[in-house]
Amino acid sequence: GAVVSQHPSWVICKSGTSVKIECRSLDFQATTMFWYRQFPKQSLMLMATSNEGSKATYEQGVEKDKFLINHASLTLSTLTVTSAHPEDSSFYICSADDASGRAVDTQYFGPGTRLTVL
Amino acid sequence: SQQGEEDPQALSIQEGENATMNCSYKTSINNLQWYRQNSGRGLVHLILIRSNEREKHSGRLRVTLDTSKKSSSLLITASRAADTASYFCATDAKGNQFYFGTGTSLTVIP
Repeated sequence: GAVVSQHPSWVICKSGTSVKIECRSLDFQATTMFWYRQFPKQSLMLMATSNEGSKATYEQGVEKDKFLINHASLTLSTLTVTSAHPEDSSFYICSADDASGRAVDTQYFGPGTRLTVL
Repeated sequence: SQQGEEDPQALSIQEGENATMNCSYKTSINNLQWYRQNSGRGLVHLILIRSNEREKHSGRLRVTLDTSKKSSSLLITASRAADTASYFCATDAKGNQFYFGTGTSLTVIP
């Protein structure tokens, strides 16, 4: 089955630094990837839709300059949390849309990245 | 399996009518959430109901939870064409693991 990986799985950083999280589709091409964040014991919140070769579409209330998204290839999307602060500490999850035609409207989720900002 | 199961799998109604979707699950939960997915879009969180709550409202949405029957329902009142989407329930038993059902595909006919 389709596999989506994320790297790193856990990162701890100092306040003010920037952190890059990678999301890769390992055995399929994904023209669209989605980024979510989840606070402890809360729901998944869609942050943005990442489209290969074009600018990401951000959900209302998500700062695009804070959360930079780059979808440079059909298998890789990156989320960079710029000038991270403790309130950015969260679980970040990506999903990739298999647009091969084999499965319609199917998203495959990555394992998530835990970000802790000190 | 913890997985939630939605019922019906597909629902087609006229604009203005109410739509009701049900979700059943198998084990104890901390909370249950409903999400919407428009075609080709990401999952959008609609509402979360905790295990000690029985009913919750948000705009035209009403969610009920019956932990004795291990079931939840999502009611969309006065439906609109823009409500056409797939709706998923997700159960959270361990605080950081979500189990999604297979979804209900709702079509609202203008």
